Amino acid sequence: EPEVTQTPSHQVTQMGQEVILRCVPISNHLYFYWYRQILGQKVEFLVSFYNNEISEKSEIFDDQFSVERPDGSNFTLKIRSTKLEDSAMYFCASSEGLGGNQPQHFGDGTRLSIL
Amino acid sequence: AQKVTQAQTEISVVEKEDVTLDCVYETRDTTYYLFWYKQPPSGELVFLIRRNSFDEQNEISGRYSWNFQKSTSSFNFTITASQVVDSAVYFCALRTQGAQKLVFGQGTRLTINP
Repeated sequence: EPEVTQTPSHQVTQMGQEVILRCVPISNHLYFYWYRQILGQKVEFLVSFYNNEISEKSEIFDDQFSVERPDGSNFTLKIRSTKLEDSAMYFCASSEGLGGNQPQHFGDGTRLSIL
Repeated sequence: AQKVTQAQTEISVVEKEDVTLDCVYETRDTTYYLFWYKQPPSGELVFLIRRNSFDEQNEISGRYSWNFQKSTSSFNFTITASQVVDSAVYFCALRTQGAQKLVFGQGTRLTINP
């Protein structure tokens, strides 16, 4: 069964450094998403992306964050200058369409630790 | 605004017991979609089921069943004859018509003891 893949599985970065989290969505999916989960808390929406542009974003997704689809397969989340509070599990997801009942399929996540 | 509440933070049962995970949602939209996801100890999020607001038919899939009641804004999840492999955090989520984001509840940590 096709799946969303994320790399790396764990990223350790010094505060203030830039970090790029990578995702390969399911190949025939058109909508891509990033969520984060701070340890022990609920999963929070960051951003959705369609047709090479951001289609929806949350208040969390400020100017420090950016997303990109650099080629036909990868979808990246960049945090420009990391803060301690950016430490979390980051999940990429994709869906085939935008019909509300289309499930979003999630990757295994990247655990980001900011020191 | 949309909100999902999973009041049970942690549940612990002995294997083979039945267990129900509660989910209550809030939305003013008349068209919306409800989901359950499982997060095992390994950390990934696994899609389990989706439900449309206009389809209140309950669903059964093996040992899993879901009870959707619009009158009480609830979408509860029952596992019958629980097994140790069911141990995970379970998240209920809501998505409204026209929105792309999933709004998650806080999750319920389910522990099945042998």
